Amino acid sequence: AQSVSQHNHHVILSEAASLELGCNYSYGGTVNLFWYVQYPGQHLQLLLKYFSGDPLVKGIKGFEAEFIKSKFSFNLRKPSVQWSDTAEYFCAVNRMYSGGGADGLTFGKGTHLIIQP
Amino acid sequence: GAGVSQSPSNKVTEKGKDVELRCDPISGHTALYWYRQSLGQGLEFLIYFQGNSAPDKSGLPSDRFSAERTGGSVSTLTIQRTQQEDSAVYLCASSFQRGETDTQYFGPGTRLTVL
Repeated sequence: AQSVSQHNHHVILSEAASLELGCNYSYGGTVNLFWYVQYPGQHLQLLLKYFSGDPLVKGIKGFEAEFIKSKFSFNLRKPSVQWSDTAEYFCAVNRMYSGGGADGLTFGKGTHLIIQP
Repeated sequence: GAGVSQSPSNKVTEKGKDVELRCDPISGHTALYWYRQSLGQGLEFLIYFQGNSAPDKSGLPSDRFSAERTGGSVSTLTIQRTQQEDSAVYLCASSFQRGETDTQYFGPGTRLTVL
C-alpha cells in the first residue's frame, strides 16, 4: 500500500522567511504528486501538481515543488512567505490506471503552517 | 462555472441513526471520489466512481458505509447505524479524467457529528 509522510506537523515562521516542507512517498510504480492547501475555514485547494516532465513544478502564490524520483520526495518550497500563507498543507499521491483514470489520493497527515507578522 | 457542491454543510445525528450525504460534482467530470477528514486519521480515501460504477471501494471502513452515483452525476454516501467514531468531515472530489493527467477538485465538505 502506498503511504505519504510529511515530516513537519507544525511549522512557525516569520514573514519573509523561506519555507520548505518535506514530503516522501512510498510506492514503486508511476505516481502523480500533489500539494493541496486548506486555508482557515476554506476547502482544499490545489497548489501544484506533478505528472511528468520537468521535475520542478511551479504553482499558485509563488509556491514550487521539486520531484526527486531517487529519493521518493516532493518537497514544497517558497522563497519568502507571507502572513496569508498561514494554512494546512497536504502532500498527496495517486497512480494512473493502465486504462486511463486515476485512483483515490493518499494524503500525508498535513503540516500546519503559521506565519507570524 | 460552479465547483463541487455538497449538502448538507453540517449534520448532527444521534448514534444509531442513518444519514445521507450528497455530492454534486463539477459538470462534465466523469470521476467522483469520497474522502473523510478527521483529527485522528487525517484525510482518508473512501470510494471512487467512474461514471456510475465504483471500481474501488477499498477505503470504506465498514459495511455500514455505502455510496451510489446516478446519471453519472450526483452521488450519495450513506452511513447506516451511525457511531460516534463516524464523526468527521466528509469530502467529495471530482475530476475530468481524460488522457494521462488528472486533477481532483474538492467540495467544501459535510461536517458530521454523531452524538
